[in-house]
Amino acid sequence: GAVVSQHPSRVICKSGTSVKIECRSLDFQATTMFWYRQFPKQSLMLMATSNEGSKATYEQGVEKDKFLINHASLTLSTLTVTSAHPEDSSFYICSARAKGQGNEQFFGPGTRLTVL
Amino acid sequence: GQQLNQSPQSMFIQEGEDVSMNCTSSSIFNTWLWYKQDPGEGPVLLIALYKAGELTSNGRLTAQFGITRKDSFLNISASIPSDVGIYFCAGFSNDYKLSFGAGTTVTVRA
Repeated sequence: GAVVSQHPSRVICKSGTSVKIECRSLDFQATTMFWYRQFPKQSLMLMATSNEGSKATYEQGVEKDKFLINHASLTLSTLTVTSAHPEDSSFYICSARAKGQGNEQFFGPGTRLTVL
Repeated sequence: GQQLNQSPQSMFIQEGEDVSMNCTSSSIFNTWLWYKQDPGEGPVLLIALYKAGELTSNGRLTAQFGITRKDSFLNISASIPSDVGIYFCAGFSNDYKLSFGAGTTVTVRA
């Protein structure tokens, strides 16, 4: 149980285009989903927290107009990187917190974004 | 989130050796977590600690929640090649945000 999937696993795009990454909780309802970014040889940095049906809360320094987050259902959150640039190339990982299961977060397998 | 100091940054070990790594924080944590991340994958939870002084094992892994609530360690006994990877400590402090350490890269020499 407690499986989180991400799609796509890898994406390469041209500079200036937008990319959407999906995060799904497959066997549980996720009231809260989190989006992290991880640069090579670095740790995971929280970008934003999204609660189902409400606006996401962004961490300091993360542009909400550039990283659009939608948490439309209890099993799906999406992150859209708008007008992507090479410096946005990174490993994006989502996690989900199950309804009624305390603070534990279950992580997805990550999405490798490369912007040319 | 809070800042976690994890050490060592990397280690090369001989197969069969024991491995130890630790994390410290400047503030009190309510929960300490240890994750392993393989290349190109998301982190996988190894051990969760919820009380000060708690010592928990998961197979060859043992972790402890420090008495001061500001530190934790992870031990891996009798390392094997599949222990290769990056180990992260993480935890929740009073702000309930999950903070991560910088990671310890473990490489096992056969």
